[in-house]
Formats: sequence, structure tokens, C-alpha cells
Amino acid sequence: DSGVTQTPKHLITATGQRVTLRCSPRSGDLSVYWYQQSLDQGLQFLIQYYNGEERAKGNILERFSAQQFPDLHSELNLSSLELGDSALYFCASSVFGRADTQYFGPGTRLTVL
Amino acid sequence: AQSVTQPDIHITVSEGASLELRCNYSYGATPYLFWYVQSPGQGLQLLLKYFSGDTLVQGIKGFEAEFKRSQSSFNLRKPSVHWSDAAEYFCAVWGSYIPTFGRGTSLIVHP
Repeated sequence: DSGVTQTPKHLITATGQRVTLRCSPRSGDLSVYWYQQSLDQGLQFLIQYYNGEERAKGNILERFSAQQFPDLHSELNLSSLELGDSALYFCASSVFGRADTQYFGPGTRLTVL
Repeated sequence: AQSVTQPDIHITVSEGASLELRCNYSYGATPYLFWYVQSPGQGLQLLLKYFSGDTLVQGIKGFEAEFKRSQSSFNLRKPSVHWSDAAEYFCAVWGSYIPTFGRGTSLIVHP
């Protein structure tokens, strides 16, 4: 158990819908990262937050948005969902935003029908 | 732009045999290189990292990797594989807070 929690574990929805994925970082970790893992695209970095502020942005679509709240949990919002958005979405957290201290959550499996 | 290539999609080894997983990267400056392991149904776990200094780095679970700047490679090795090492392995390069991952190598271990 990495100490990073993600909810829900599984999510099935329809095209055009909007969903919210939630991540709670390890106690004391200030930084949260979001990743997407799919068969087509592989593992891709989406976005990083550090203490509530966006620090780095990767291949995140405009239909996707994220935020980190004052209690440091983070949410990833996916809207106007398409079949191709079906993937595993991972959250990771780290102390001070250091890549070598990242701990990954178990992921949320999103299926878009 | 940074990129990572893992040429082998699958690697099959016998338990107790040695292992080498290949990783080639492209990055303009001195790279920060990582190897991760992903077991089925799990998130990624960091095996080892290279930032600078000694080009042979040791990681967890008996893994090591060697950074070769001239070959733009960061290959992962283990002298004796255990059945529990069966998993997906990812190489990544970090630049400006942004990681780029390879497509992964699936390790199959035969008893």
C-alpha cells in the first residue's frame, strides 16, 4: 500500500458524459501528479500540482482539467468523454514535487461505452 | 523533444537467469533517468534513478542500471531473476518536471 488513495476504482460511463476522479496523496506530500495509461498511447503524464498550484502540464486534453484543493487532495475532471478516453488513470504524490520520491496510487479504470 | 525507446515489447527468461532490459533515450541536456516496475493491477513503483555521478546505479529488489551517454542508453540488469520479477517495466526520462515514458517491456519468467 503506497498510501495514495484513488476513488473510484472503476468507472463505466457513456460517451459525452463528464466524470471526476479523486486522489488523496500520502500524508505530508505536497505534490500530486496525474497520468493516463492506455493501450494506444501508453503511459502519459497529464499534469502536476504542487501545494495547490499547477507546476507542469503534459499531454492533457482541453476537455480535461484538474485542481488541487487546500487539503491537498486532487480531482481530475474529464468531460465530453470519447471512447478513446478509456484508460487507467493514475495519481501519484511526492514530497516537495521530487520525481524520485513519487508514490503511485492503484489507479481508476475508466471505461467509456 | 525528449523521448524514450524500449525496443523489446516482451522478454522471456528462466528463473535464475540474468536479465537485461534495454532503454534508449533522447534528451538535449543531462537526463534524469528512471526505471519503474508495474505489477498487474498496481501502480508504478520506482526501481532506481540516475541524476548524475556514478554511471552504475543500484536500485531495489537487486536491480541495477548503467547510464551510457555515448550510446544514449540506460539498460536495466539483474543477475538472477526470480519468478516474482514478472511484471511490466518502464524506462522514463524527466526533463523540466515532465516525464516521458517508454512503451514498456513485459517480463515473463519461466520456472
